[in-house]
Amino acid sequence: GAGVSQSPSNKVTEKGKDVELRCDPISGHTALYWYRQSLGQGLEFLIYFQGNSAPDKSGLPSDRFSAERTGGSVSTLTIQRTQQEDSAVYLCASSQQSGRETQYFGPGTRLLVL
Amino acid sequence: AQSVTQLGSHVSVSEGALVLLRCNYSSSVPPYLFWYVQYPNQGLQLLLKYTTGATLVKGINGFEAEFKKSETSFHLTKPSAHMSDAAEYFCAVRPNTGGFKTIFGAGTRLFVKA
Repeated sequence: GAGVSQSPSNKVTEKGKDVELRCDPISGHTALYWYRQSLGQGLEFLIYFQGNSAPDKSGLPSDRFSAERTGGSVSTLTIQRTQQEDSAVYLCASSQQSGRETQYFGPGTRLLVL
Repeated sequence: AQSVTQLGSHVSVSEGALVLLRCNYSSSVPPYLFWYVQYPNQGLQLLLKYTTGATLVKGINGFEAEFKKSETSFHLTKPSAHMSDAAEYFCAVRPNTGGFKTIFGAGTRLFVKA
């Protein structure tokens, strides 16, 4: 089926505003991940969801960041009171259940906070 | 705690020359190891992975990597570089004892000169 999709592809917002980023994983994939890729840097793990288990939120940089996954499918990453340092590409990936499985990445959402 | 170190943020080779991208990891448990590639203006895609079995792993586009436990390394090689190999390459590690948290290296940008 279709790959991982993310929306919007680009988002420009003003400092202090809240933003929501959406991820649609590949159908049937039970694991979903969020990463942040800042300019010139690698991927920074943010959070992952696996089935009905409690998500691993250990990578979220502050309490302004939160994520949810509804019905085991679509996920939304919310950033409250955005700051300029939040500007980055936010990547979503999904994989099948086993930890050895390949992660399939979406195209990302490029966030710019002015 | 896990970590991944990619030696060299930029590597430049001539077309036809050997490509060697270095990756060292630290992990308290045996890991799964991955190389992902990000072509310009495209999403990340899996190049190859090591889970169990043979320590020399072959991937797409002629790339291969060898898991060396004694050296905690998983270097990526290709005998002969092609212009189309110009991209950013990320090494990643995940524990094989369960859990899905994946740690990525900072990435190495490969330049191929004609």
